[in-house]
Amino acid sequence: KAGVTQTPRYLIKTRGQQVTLSCSPISGHRSVSWYQQTPGQGLQFLFEYFSETQRNKGNFPGRFSGRQFSNSRSEMNVSTLELGDSALYLCASSLAPGVRNTEAFFGQGTRLTVV
Amino acid sequence: EDQVTQSPEALRLQEGESSSLNCSYTVSGLRGLFWYRQDPGKGPEFLFTLYSAGEEKEKERLKATLTKKESFLHITAPKPEDSATYLCAPRGGGSNYKLTFGKGTLLTVNP
Repeated sequence: KAGVTQTPRYLIKTRGQQVTLSCSPISGHRSVSWYQQTPGQGLQFLFEYFSETQRNKGNFPGRFSGRQFSNSRSEMNVSTLELGDSALYLCASSLAPGVRNTEAFFGQGTRLTVV
Repeated sequence: EDQVTQSPEALRLQEGESSSLNCSYTVSGLRGLFWYRQDPGKGPEFLFTLYSAGEEKEKERLKATLTKKESFLHITAPKPEDSATYLCAPRGGGSNYKLTFGKGTLLTVNP
């Protein structure tokens, strides 16, 4: 079955612009989480969505936002981009929160470069 | 606050030389300890989930074990293709339901 699909794979944006990244989870998975990966900080949790509701949020500024659609696809948006937002943004897909034996599978990520 | 420490940060082995990676964690309401493998420029690849202290899981040359405060990833007779960054991530429960990642161990296996 198809894995987690993230689009686009690469993006170059200018400071001050905004960007939207997309994630399509594995078929049947209803929980989507987003992570930011940088060389210095490693993988850091951004937020998690289930049934179109944000269930949990990490320690990121309000410029980072997301949403989930009824088909479980999710988008994240970063407004007023800063150079420090350059990172690999990863999406993880799970069946549902609180369900035992539910693994989290990652997409290939979107590499965002802010210049 | 949830904390995860992986050691060593980097490990260089000769092909066939077995070793272990460590993951120490403090997470409230543990709902699984995940191990991933990540190759450069790619997303993490799922390896194992462990749920209870004493649990063990194996996959080819890898075996993961779990205690109440640590997890170990044992690599037996590694091959060069095992070279990657190995990440551990405990998942909390309730409102803490998220993966908290360690910084990873960069494993290099020389032929």
